[in-house]
Amino acid sequence: DGGITQSPKYLFRKEGQNVTLSCEQNLNHDAMYWYRQDPGQGLRLIYYSQIVNDFQKGDIAEGYSVSREKKESFPLTVTSAQKNPTAFYLCASSIETSRGGTQYFGPGTRLLVL
Amino acid sequence: AQKVTQAQTEISVVEKEDVTLDCVYETRDTTYYLFWYKQPPSGELVFLIRRNSFDEQNEISGRYSWNFQKSTSSFNFTITASQVVDSAVYFCALSEVGTGNTPLVFGKGTRLSVIA
Repeated sequence: DGGITQSPKYLFRKEGQNVTLSCEQNLNHDAMYWYRQDPGQGLRLIYYSQIVNDFQKGDIAEGYSVSREKKESFPLTVTSAQKNPTAFYLCASSIETSRGGTQYFGPGTRLLVL
Repeated sequence: AQKVTQAQTEISVVEKEDVTLDCVYETRDTTYYLFWYKQPPSGELVFLIRRNSFDEQNEISGRYSWNFQKSTSSFNFTITASQVVDSAVYFCALSEVGTGNTPLVFGKGTRLSVIA
């Protein structure tokens, strides 16, 4: 089945540790996105990528890094510089790289700080 | 700047009641897209509908209907004869085509609880 997978479902981070969230899609979509969701809040864009080897910062990129070496994969690293990383992280993809394309979402990763 | 407001934070209805979720948006673009997504307790966002700014026709899909009015910058979502499975958080979102730095801006969501 085509879709977007995210792993792990739950992730625990110790103080000062970098952690990487995985996002893979087999929909042949060009564009991929990372969002952060805090309780009672909407989704805020962290990074997005419209093509392999290129990505742009979203509204809350500080403390995060990404890479896009393959079309199917868009991993997100939460660095130690992100002081409040506890949140629900959602990955999305869209076939259109232009604005207005429908984004389809993965199941999410819940990150907790120990 | 683009902005989406969902004024209703939480709504509770009894099963079989109709319910309308409000969405008001702000944009300076003449070309834009509006979306509704459903987030069930599992957490994954499920796409429901996309409309472009040039198509003001109302749309109906089963028990779901959408009312798009450019004059009031609103894109409201109605569920007819609600069911317990409709319980979720619903997000409205906006994408400007010509301007704006963010591909898609979300409202803060409306949590709908349908009680049996």
